[in-house]
Amino acid sequence: SQQGEEDPQALSIQEGENATMNCSYKTSINNLQWYRQNSGRGLVHLILIRSNEREKHSGRLRVTLDTSKKSSSLLITASRAADTASYFCATDALGSARQLTFGSGTQLTVLP
Amino acid sequence: GAVVSQHPSRVICKSGTSVKIECRSLDFQATTMFWYRQFPKQSLMLMATSNEGSKATYEQGVEKDKFLINHASLTLSTLTVTSAHPEDSSFYICSAREQGGLVLSPLHFGNGTRLTVT
Repeated sequence: SQQGEEDPQALSIQEGENATMNCSYKTSINNLQWYRQNSGRGLVHLILIRSNEREKHSGRLRVTLDTSKKSSSLLITASRAADTASYFCATDALGSARQLTFGSGTQLTVLP
Repeated sequence: GAVVSQHPSRVICKSGTSVKIECRSLDFQATTMFWYRQFPKQSLMLMATSNEGSKATYEQGVEKDKFLINHASLTLSTLTVTSAHPEDSSFYICSAREQGGLVLSPLHFGNGTRLTVT
């Protein structure tokens, strides 16, 4: 079942700008992960943040996690046209038998 | 890095026929694989959890007789869509986590299978 909601559903920006996507979830989690999906392809893991972490960086990606608000954000800095894809958050909930629940996704379009 | 191969990438079949989709972990062993279904511009919906050597666990609302899952080895899980109908047309994606992998390890995804039932 889907428990995550992401906003915006769609985001269109110019190359070089920053893109911020938000994710909210409902249950307590072990960790939260962000994935990227190019059209018609599988998902690629981007970054994982543990429930006891508040912020994590990986290259041009910055993820924050607020467990009190049950929300996370993904920031992509200095975006490129190649960043165009759908981005999903996924939660690894406590007692979930290690399966992930995916959010509704944000379709990011970076215009050259 | 860990690779999951999913085959076929695209299949068109006639209504009433069955289609088998394979998911292989190429360079690691996976005791657990997950099968998802994705409709256009929507998120992934977990269909079932495939466990090596035992029966799959299906999510509520997913017909186990319709979507047969077999996980006969540590590197292969198959999903068979039986007596396919046009409403089964969708994008099916498998994923796997390495055997013995930490709870914190990410999933590795196949590239998906686009099923079209005519």
